[in-house]
Amino acid sequence: DQQVKQNSPSLSVQEGRISILNCDYTNSMFDYFLWYKKYPAEGPTFLISISSIKDKNEDGRFTVFLNKSAKHLSLHIVPSQPGDSAVYFCAAPPPQGGSEKLVFGKGTKLTVNP
Amino acid sequence: DVKVTQSSRYLVKRTGEKVFLECVQDMDHENMFWYRQDPGLGLRLIYFSYDVKMKEKGDIPEGYSVSREKKERFSLILESASTNQTSMYLCASKQGNEKLFFGSGTQLSVL
Repeated sequence: DQQVKQNSPSLSVQEGRISILNCDYTNSMFDYFLWYKKYPAEGPTFLISISSIKDKNEDGRFTVFLNKSAKHLSLHIVPSQPGDSAVYFCAAPPPQGGSEKLVFGKGTKLTVNP
Repeated sequence: DVKVTQSSRYLVKRTGEKVFLECVQDMDHENMFWYRQDPGLGLRLIYFSYDVKMKEKGDIPEGYSVSREKKERFSLILESASTNQTSMYLCASKQGNEKLFFGSGTQLSVL
């Protein structure tokens, strides 16, 4: 049973527009979330995180929103650039312990068209 | 800067071969991980280690083993490679609740 879900395998947007990547989770005890970005033939790199004590965290063009009641978070990229084209993974430490591990979603492939 | 180094970017092996994937981190992290990434399946945890000589199974350990003889080095072993182990293998490390740092990955093809 997947605890962290990214239901859109792909997303395509025009350069300059907003990209919104979504992530849902099943356990309300999750309290920390991370987004990773992965280019082909490279390892994922950390992008941005959010703690459950916040509902928003912003870093430049990237903003993550957390809706605890809906068990939903989203990553907004504004404005989108062609270099943002990558696979984005949502992740969280499991609430049942073993916080050394991260549970990952299956990823969303973002394509930003020039 | 933080560095996780995987020894090979690309590997081609034959079915039945024993395969070693090596990973070294220079951050003195206690925790190290091996993931594989497959299209449509995301990142799946194979094994992880929280200390030297300590290991725990992840979600898909079958067909794999690991070795952590030194803190900085974590090896993934395919005892008898099979075609369904063709994948991108990613090593990662972290300290406590800090974020995960990944290596560049090894694309393994088993023919």
